[in-house]
Amino acid sequence: QVQLQESGPGLVKPSQTLSLTCTVSGGSISSGNHYWSWIRQPAGKGLEWIGRIYSSGSTNYNPSLKSRVTISIDTSKNQFSLKLGSVTAADTAVYYCARGALYFPTVYFDSWGQGTLVTVSS
Amino acid sequence: SSELTQDPAVSVALGQTVRITCQGDSLRKYYASWYQQKPGQAPVLVIYGKDYRPSGIPDRFSGSISGNTASLTITGAQAEDEADYYCNSRDTSGDHLEVFGTGTKVTVL
Repeated sequence: QVQLQESGPGLVKPSQTLSLTCTVSGGSISSGNHYWSWIRQPAGKGLEWIGRIYSSGSTNYNPSLKSRVTISIDTSKNQFSLKLGSVTAADTAVYYCARGALYFPTVYFDSWGQGTLVTVSS
Repeated sequence: SSELTQDPAVSVALGQTVRITCQGDSLRKYYASWYQQKPGQAPVLVIYGKDYRPSGIPDRFSGSISGNTASLTITGAQAEDEADYYCNSRDTSGDHLEVFGTGTKVTVL
């Protein structure tokens, strides 16, 4: 059973860059039909997909965040990371990493990290 | 379209059946997956594909699709089923980006 764990600062100042890492254990981050996503959830609100990365390094981002987001992968460490620049209070949320699977036409996220709260405040 | 629309809230009497719907154009191409989220916890996958349940998910959870509407049905709802439920699929853009539904709060009376 693959497990994911987010890590990174819980407090980020406005205009700075939010950086989080997701460590994958119990399976390889390079597995074929899987990809790796970041998803966030502001308090009391719904889930918002941020972006995804494949083991090849190919990425896709939510158009609403695309100009500020970078997702990268380190297969040697079984980790992938999120960088979100120029943060504001609106970026305060619980951030989840998750493993996605695509067996067309079926897509799903079958493993999630526990989530980490990131607060943007001076 | 990049939207998946869900009813904000539904209630169900203990032991009765409740259906949660998720509507969007992308569901004509991709199956929806469904997630249960309890307060303070990460979402948990409960249904994916045509109607598959991950190991450990009770068989009172089932899924279906009709046109552009996916449904999650809880047959014989239990108190522990009270939670937020989200659907997920991909949109109809060229990059087939991920999209989540707006979420449905299920209250078990």
